[in-house]
Amino acid sequence: NAGVTQTPKFQVLKTGQSMTLQCAQDMNHEYMSWYRQDPGMGLRLIHYSVGAGITDQGEVPNGYNVSRSTTEDFPLRLLSAAPSQTSVYFCASKNAGGYNEQFFGPGTRLTVL
Amino acid sequence: AQRVTQPEKLLSVFKGAPVELKCNYSYSGSPELFWYVQYSRQRLQLLLRHISRESIKGFTADLNKGETSFHLKKPFAQEEDSAMYYCALIVGNRDDKIIFGKGTRLHILP
Repeated sequence: NAGVTQTPKFQVLKTGQSMTLQCAQDMNHEYMSWYRQDPGMGLRLIHYSVGAGITDQGEVPNGYNVSRSTTEDFPLRLLSAAPSQTSVYFCASKNAGGYNEQFFGPGTRLTVL
Repeated sequence: AQRVTQPEKLLSVFKGAPVELKCNYSYSGSPELFWYVQYSRQRLQLLLRHISRESIKGFTADLNKGETSFHLKKPFAQEEDSAMYYCALIVGNRDDKIIFGKGTRLHILP
């Protein structure tokens, strides 16, 4: 099992550019989520999904779109990147149910100039 | 409001000394809490969950509903405990939305 994979590892964008951060998991987990990690701010939930075709907003959803067409994939789209979106982005997945462990990807470091 | 508070950004402790990382939560429902850890150059990973009442790597955490706290403790710190620690809370109707605190960096001094 590869677990949770993310691509790319690093990305530099110019303000106004768009891009998609990819996330995939091979554990057949129903639940997937995206977080951003910023110094002094910890991990903040951007969007999450409890299954294919179902997504919901987290704590900081503005500027980001998601979709969940398959169980395995949960891409995060930045439609018009802003410097405030410079961050490390983590994707995570888990089985449904409260106490199941959430597995994290290795992260994508994004810089917006 | 749903919130997880970790009041310390950085905690420096001498090797062999006790460790306590503080976590307080605000949640109207029945809390389900976790501690996650991120070692240098590694992924975030689960350390322990309150429902299991387990001890992992010598760490324990007890849920105190009266004080709305879930502090992480270890009696004798080891150098390999140096890491970033996050307290997490499950919120939402389907128990699948998880929010995190801002994290505490634990630095074990030799």
